[in-house]
Amino acid sequence: EIVLTQSPGTLSLSPGERATLSCRASQSVGSGYLAWYQQKPGQAPRLLIYGASRRASGIPDRFSGSGSGTDFTLTISRLEPEDFAVYYCQQYSNSPRTFGQGTKLQIK
Amino acid sequence: QVQLVQSGTEVTKPGASVKVSCKASGYTFTSFGISWVRQAPGQGLEWMGWISGYNGYTDYAQKLHGRVTLTTDTSTSTAYMELTNLKSDDTAVYYCARDQSSSSIWFDPWGQGTLVTVSS
Repeated sequence: EIVLTQSPGTLSLSPGERATLSCRASQSVGSGYLAWYQQKPGQAPRLLIYGASRRASGIPDRFSGSGSGTDFTLTISRLEPEDFAVYYCQQYSNSPRTFGQGTKLQIK
Repeated sequence: QVQLVQSGTEVTKPGASVKVSCKASGYTFTSFGISWVRQAPGQGLEWMGWISGYNGYTDYAQKLHGRVTLTTDTSTSTAYMELTNLKSDDTAVYYCARDQSSSSIWFDPWGQGTLVTVSS
């Protein structure tokens, strides 16, 4: 199975700053079949990005995804207070579908 | 709007089984699939499997060793996840999420989650 490793585990930033989250795969994720989710405490995850770089419906344009092969990045250009949450990457290139362990984005 | 509403909290014992439901609304159920994802307390997300709402085809995570069964009732637009021979480390929040009808891709939207507690 494809193992996804996210870094850093925790990221401490201030509102208005830029956040860069990494997701590295143990083998190539074909066709950029990678998604990103945001999860806030006590809530279900929410889809942000699919196809490595396509924003889901209703997602603000401060969220962007990039990457291919084994290295993917989620960038939040200017952090808003509501962006502090846990972020997960997920691959759908191979079965079983797998998630990274998450990056917690917290207020500095 | 697209909505998935799951059944309520379950408390059960080791060795027992649990069946969680997920009722879909706001879209054509047979044009999509449903994936199930679980999250142990304080932990990350684990994909359990997928079922097509169109033809009932399934794909399961091998880790669950045949203990999970996914089914649908297209007459009520409801998906079900049954997990048997429960162990304490099956304690988790179980989510359903809308997926593609032909294979599992990304998950959007998600149900509100169902807490399953396994304890003697």
